[in-house]
Amino acid sequence: GAGVSQSPSNKVTEKGKDVELRCDPISGHTALYWYRQSLGQGLEFLIYFQGNSAPDKSGLPSDRFSAERTGGSVSTLTIQRTQQEDSAVYLCASSSTGNANYGYTFGSGTRLTVV
Amino acid sequence: SQQGEEDPQALSIQEGENATMNCSYKTSINNLQWYRQNSGRGLVHLILIRSNEREKHSGRLRVTLDTSKKSSSLLITASRAADTASYFCAFRSGYSTLTFGKGTMLLVSP
Repeated sequence: GAGVSQSPSNKVTEKGKDVELRCDPISGHTALYWYRQSLGQGLEFLIYFQGNSAPDKSGLPSDRFSAERTGGSVSTLTIQRTQQEDSAVYLCASSSTGNANYGYTFGSGTRLTVV
Repeated sequence: SQQGEEDPQALSIQEGENATMNCSYKTSINNLQWYRQNSGRGLVHLILIRSNEREKHSGRLRVTLDTSKKSSSLLITASRAADTASYFCAFRSGYSTLTFGKGTMLLVSP
């Protein structure tokens, strides 16, 4: 596609429920990144995909968080048993290469609210 | 922490004035990038400066990099109300991922 697409744009969920966030990167971009941003804060790295593999998942905050990427394209970030501290904007970005020598293209994010 | 630090945290100016934001980091870097974020959603890539470059221009943007001081600055000249946004520096310190700073909130008043 022309840009990075994320869905849903907003998600309100009850504490303890599972949620899935989707990212559709720019066609042909091999690298895909997930970050999250809490209110008024900077971006916190979560996970990096190169193709379908995740060479760096060091930012996932707990085992409740998981992500996968299929077909070298769409990625899904899953949060199980959501907690209130999971409330944040989850941002996905893609890049043509995985060496960060070029800028990232970001999606508009998913605003997750856990009540 | 390897996170970058922007300074100031917030900046308020009048249209037509110049805005300068600074970024400091602690590790050696391959490149440093600046992004803009409107309304807390997606970030837009503005400019990238490589570690062997000292200054770069793009339209009304001017970026400098001083690797000896581990710092960078972003200058926006002749600011406009539409420049109101948060600005983040980001740097590549490892192989593949960018580390972002906490951002500077810029308010440009008409």
